[in-house]
Amino acid sequence: GAGVSQSPRYKVAKRGQDVALRCDPISGHVSLFWYQQALGQGPEFLTYFQNEAQLDKSGLPSDRFFAERPEGSVSTLKIQRTQQEDSAVYLCASSSGHFYYGYTFGSGTRLTVV
Amino acid sequence: DAKTTQPPSMDCAEGRAANLPCNHSTISGNEYVYWYRQIHSQGPQYIIHGLKNNETNEMASLIITEDRKSSTLILPHATLRDTAVYYCLPKGGSQGNLIFGKGTKLSVKP
Repeated sequence: GAGVSQSPRYKVAKRGQDVALRCDPISGHVSLFWYQQALGQGPEFLTYFQNEAQLDKSGLPSDRFFAERPEGSVSTLKIQRTQQEDSAVYLCASSSGHFYYGYTFGSGTRLTVV
Repeated sequence: DAKTTQPPSMDCAEGRAANLPCNHSTISGNEYVYWYRQIHSQGPQYIIHGLKNNETNEMASLIITEDRKSSTLILPHATLRDTAVYYCLPKGGSQGNLIFGKGTKLSVKP
């Protein structure tokens, strides 16, 4: 597709439930990023993949958060045993690897934990 | 990583130029200045970036001071659709994460 696609667009989870958020990057983009954005704040980095390799996961807030990109294309962010503080918009971005063009972001998944 | 300072909010009249300032006094020599914007309910959108020369594209112009400690993003003829939060982010040329601050909320008014 022409852009980065994220699904679902909205997700409501009961506290303690596991969730999986999907990101379809632009075809051929080698770099993929996940960000978390709380209400009224700027996006905060979670993790970074180059192809299938997870090169940086320093932003993942706890071991309940796990991300994968097994074939170097689609990525999934999984949150286990969701807590209320996990409520946020989760953004995915991809890049061709050439810094000149900037990163392309998806519209995000809004997760609400009740 | 370099820290940035941006005004929390600005207003601009439709059709007028919007000049958004950013201070990045601790920027290092190999870091570019990137600008992104985020329209409500969308992901951030890349606008422009530069190293030390002024840059212009179809969206905006970027003016970087000679000492590189600050920059200004210029939207020459703001429209209502330019209402968004604008982020200034210093970043090295290699791949790596973007560090967002709180940005400037620009409101373009009719």
